[in-house]
Amino acid sequence: DVKVTQSSRYLVKRTGEKVFLECVQDMDHENMFWYRQDPGLGLRLIYFSYDVKMKEKGDIPEGYSVSREKKERFSLILESASTNQTSMYLCASSQTGKINEQFFGPGTRLTVL
Amino acid sequence: AQKITQTQPGMFVQEKEAVTLDCTYDTSDPSYGLFWYKQPSSGEMIFLIYQGSYDQQNATEGRYSLNFQKARKSANLVISASQLGDSAMYFCAMREGPLNSGYSTLTFGKGTMLLVSP
Repeated sequence: DVKVTQSSRYLVKRTGEKVFLECVQDMDHENMFWYRQDPGLGLRLIYFSYDVKMKEKGDIPEGYSVSREKKERFSLILESASTNQTSMYLCASSQTGKINEQFFGPGTRLTVL
Repeated sequence: AQKITQTQPGMFVQEKEAVTLDCTYDTSDPSYGLFWYKQPSSGEMIFLIYQGSYDQQNATEGRYSLNFQKARKSANLVISASQLGDSAMYFCAMREGPLNSGYSTLTFGKGTMLLVSP
């Protein structure tokens, strides 16, 4: 079974702090994704990566950056956290060439005070 | 225009009844795929069912079936014989482009909350 894990289920940070959200998948998937989920807005794509060291902006990349140094790990970075980044963050991975079904991690609920 | 529209913010159904969750989509790409995911209160997204644009038959997975009406651009999820454990948020999503085009992203709808009562 595909396993996608995220470093924290709950995280509380202060405004201006640098925040790292880590995601690891164990199925050798090429593609990894970061979403944020807010009530009434569904899932919105922040960034994705289709290979090591490659990254592409999603729909809402402002205020975020990402890093993919190893195939299995994809990090989301909030350089200077703000209260409007309080949200649920979901990581996903997929394999190119099949139906591109995405497998999701359990999510990190981030609160920025 | 939204690419995925789920018009029902919430739905109620009694246990053992069938329920249909609506999803309409908008794309000009002839090759695409449609997904349904379930998100229980625990937060994890669970893949339920997939329909490719060229698939001749409606997809089925156990109690889940996808009512695919291509001309109407709709991909409704039908859950037969609802169970209490079906209470969750349900998301419809679309992948545009053929499978062999490399990586692709999904566009998600805003979701429908389903509550199943005893």
